[in-house]
Amino acid sequence: AQTVTQSQPEMSVQEAETVTLSCTYDTSESDYYLFWYKQPPSRQMILVIRQEAYKQQNATENRFSVNFQKAAKSFSLKISDSQLGDAAMYFCAYSVGRSGGADGLTFGKGTHLIIQP
Amino acid sequence: DAGVTQSPTHLIKTRGQQVTLRCSPKSGHDTVSWYQQALGQGPQFIFQYYEEEERQRGNFPDRFSGHQYPNYSSELNVNALLLGDSALYLCASSSDRGAYNSPLHFGNGTRLTVT
Repeated sequence: AQTVTQSQPEMSVQEAETVTLSCTYDTSESDYYLFWYKQPPSRQMILVIRQEAYKQQNATENRFSVNFQKAAKSFSLKISDSQLGDAAMYFCAYSVGRSGGADGLTFGKGTHLIIQP
Repeated sequence: DAGVTQSPTHLIKTRGQQVTLRCSPKSGHDTVSWYQQALGQGPQFIFQYYEEEERQRGNFPDRFSGHQYPNYSSELNVNALLLGDSALYLCASSSDRGAYNSPLHFGNGTRLTVT
C-alpha cells in the first residue's frame, strides 16, 4: 500500500522569508502523481502544485516550487516570499497515474504553516 | 462558475442513526469522490462515483454507501453511526471526459458530529 509521510507537524516562518515543507512517500508504482494541497480555516482543499512522476523537471507555480527526488521518494514544497495568506494546513498527496491524479488520493497528516508578521 | 457545493455544512447525529450528505460537482465535472477527514488527520478516500456507479473504493466498511444521479450530483450515506464516524466529510469532483490530467476540486465539507 502507498503511504505518505509528513514529518513536520508545524512550521513557522517570517513574512517574506522562504520555507520548505517536507514529504516522503512509499510506492511500488512507476507512474504516479504527487500533489501539495492547502487547507485554510475555510476547510476547502486547494491544489497548490502537482508533479507527474515521469517528468524530471520540478514543477513551479509562481512562489511555489517543488524538489522532486524520485529515487529518494521525496517531494518537498518550497514557498518563497511567504505571505500572511499562505498560513494554512498543507497536505502532501499521492495518486497512481490513471486519470491525472483524480483517482483516490493518499494524503499525509499535514503540516501546519504559521506566518509570523 | 459555481464550484463544488456540499450540504449541510454541519450535522449532529446520535450513535446508531443514519445520515445522508449531499454534493453537487463543479460545472462540467462528471466524477465525484468522497473523503473522510478526522480531526488532526489528512483526508482518507472513501469512494468515487462515475456514470452513476461506484468505480473505486477505499478501505471503508459497507456502512458507507453512495449514489450518483444523472445530473452528476452525489450522496454519501452512513448507516449505524459510530462515535468514530465524527469527521469532516469532503466531496471532490473532476472531469473524466476532460483532459487526462483533470485535477480534483474540493467542496468546503460537511462537519458530522456523532454523540
